[in-house]
Amino acid sequence: DSGVTQTPKHLITATGQRVTLRCSPRSGDLSVYWYQQSLDQGLQFLIQYYNGEERAKGNILERFSAQQFPDLHSELNLSSLELGDSALYFCASSVDPWGSMKARGETQYFGPGTRLLVL
Amino acid sequence: KNEVEQSPQNLTAQEGEFITINCSYSVGISALHWLQQHPGGGIVSLFMLSSGKKKHGRLIATINIQEKHSSLHITASHPRDSAVYICAVSWVKVGSQGNLIFGKGTKLSVKP
Repeated sequence: DSGVTQTPKHLITATGQRVTLRCSPRSGDLSVYWYQQSLDQGLQFLIQYYNGEERAKGNILERFSAQQFPDLHSELNLSSLELGDSALYFCASSVDPWGSMKARGETQYFGPGTRLLVL
Repeated sequence: KNEVEQSPQNLTAQEGEFITINCSYSVGISALHWLQQHPGGGIVSLFMLSSGKKKHGRLIATINIQEKHSSLHITASHPRDSAVYICAVSWVKVGSQGNLIFGKGTKLSVKP
């Protein structure tokens, strides 16, 4: 158990709909990352938040948005869903993304993922 | 060309064999990560390293920064090691610190 929780575990919805995925980071972790894993693209970085602020964007579609709340949990909103959005969505957390600890880089702790199926 | 390349894509081994998975990258990195993804989908971080070598149980990870290459070794492999092993790098780029770029993974199957 990584200490990162994600809900729901599974989500089945229809094209055109909107869903919200939720992530609670490990206690004390300030940074949350969202990743998408699809069969054809593999794992891809979507977006990163640090202590409530957006820090970096990756391959995130305009139909997708995210936020991190004062209690540090994060939500990923997916709208106007298409068949191709079916994927596993992971969030991960780390203490400090800027490597202020002695070791360069940061270990990221992954949640169990949300499996989204768009029909 | 992908920034992170792994080989082999698939690997089948007999229990007890020594296994090596390779990872090459083409970007500047602050750290390299080895992840394990279980058949159920969960991802576990095995190692994070920026130089040298790390060992945890039967797993050993090495990195050569000059050659931009890392290897993950599994000694005395066991069927429970069957999983997908993913190499990922933390990219040194303004605004991207901490974000990971992933290889496509190596699917390992260890037969009893």
